[in-house]
Amino acid sequence: DTEVTQTPKHLVMGMTNKKSLKCEQHMGHRAMYWYKQKAKKPPELMFVYSYEKLSINESVPSRFSPECPNSSLLNLHLHALQPEDSALYLCASSPFSQADTQYFGPGTRLTVL
Amino acid sequence: GESVGLHLPTLSVQEGDNSIINCAYSNSASDYFIWYKQESGKGPQFIIDIRSNMDKRQGQRVTVLLNKTVKHLSLQIAATQPGDSAVYFCAENMGNSGNTPLVFGKGTRLSVIA
Repeated sequence: DTEVTQTPKHLVMGMTNKKSLKCEQHMGHRAMYWYKQKAKKPPELMFVYSYEKLSINESVPSRFSPECPNSSLLNLHLHALQPEDSALYLCASSPFSQADTQYFGPGTRLTVL
Repeated sequence: GESVGLHLPTLSVQEGDNSIINCAYSNSASDYFIWYKQESGKGPQFIIDIRSNMDKRQGQRVTVLLNKTVKHLSLQIAATQPGDSAVYFCAENMGNSGNTPLVFGKGTRLSVIA
């Protein structure tokens, strides 16, 4: 299995809602990532988990809360988002660290109304 | 600002021709480079990578060239097909520690004319 899966594929939420994005990989990778991608822009790193511990938080607002329940799963909890948070949210994983090749999931297209 | 950039934001090629997508980087400490392909509505897909101890690497229909002297990276696609139409991103990793993030270039849109 060489795939990173993400659910849901699309999500529409209001500014007062609480929702979660989910990511799963079964490649035995120990590093997992959340990226945000706006239209016609490259992905921007948000969070890095290494061996299930948060190792990097790229100054992301607290309305985004990551969680790594185990080595295969990564969640991104969303609360009180703003319309400008609408974007494609990408999950990625790599064998051990950012020095390795990262493999991306298909993303969740998020729209905040 | 970003240390990785691209010379051409869009590239149109005839089906069957070869495509060359270029990328410049500014950090001489970068030692690992990756090319990703992103089709509309999908996540970036790994194409090929190269480490700084090499200057050329070949895959299936793709070749990556690394010129460390001028800090330039290129992706060559042979016999370009309509399925190659996508945005292509180069990415660099600065250092071996594993604690530095992957930095993406701005991307080049490749359009294949049938």
